[in-house]
Amino acid sequence: DAGVIQSPRHEVTEMGQEVTLRCKPISGHNSLFWYRQTMMRGLELLIYFNNNVPIDDSGMPEDRFSAKMPNASFSTLKIQPSEPRDSAVYFCASRTSGAYEQYFGPGTRLTVT
Amino acid sequence: GDSVTQMEGPVTLSEEAFLTINCTYTATGYPSLFWYVQYPGEGLQLLLKATKADDKGSNKGFEATYRKETTSFHLEKGSVQVSDSAVYFCALTVNQAGTALIFGKGTTLSVSS
Repeated sequence: DAGVIQSPRHEVTEMGQEVTLRCKPISGHNSLFWYRQTMMRGLELLIYFNNNVPIDDSGMPEDRFSAKMPNASFSTLKIQPSEPRDSAVYFCASRTSGAYEQYFGPGTRLTVT
Repeated sequence: GDSVTQMEGPVTLSEEAFLTINCTYTATGYPSLFWYVQYPGEGLQLLLKATKADDKGSNKGFEATYRKETTSFHLEKGSVQVSDSAVYFCALTVNQAGTALIFGKGTTLSVSS
């Protein structure tokens, strides 16, 4: 049974470029979460969706970040334009309604030079 | 606001040593508490959980007891193995329905043979 799938696993880009991170949640899960992990700030929630609807995006750092969930099996996190301080590991997680446990993907390591 | 505080690492132990990683929390309401583990290069995995006061979560030899009076959820293991080397995150969620996790900053455990 496939877990949460994220792509790409690694992304290196130059400052100012657009970056799109992708996530496929576990089939049947109806909540999806985007987190960012850095040494300085640890693991931070960026945004989460219930039934494809954004519920809380207060963790999105600024307008350069946007997230969409066009259907139950796909979500994107876009950074435009990217900056070196956006370098981090970005995790996607999903959860089924009524459950506590979140299932995490392997993460995307983003490096902005 | 709600928050989780973990002991800072790294924690370095010899194989078969006793492990304690401290975790305390601040929350409104009645949180559920979790320990997640992150092995090198992977996403987070749920290790154990407790959903009400005095509950003990356990898994793979690890255990933690939800102590409401001390607002703590310390992780323990009687005899660590090299394969336990990972980063451990304490987390809480205030309610089950649709709420994201709030994580501590993580504690790195390194076990040598």
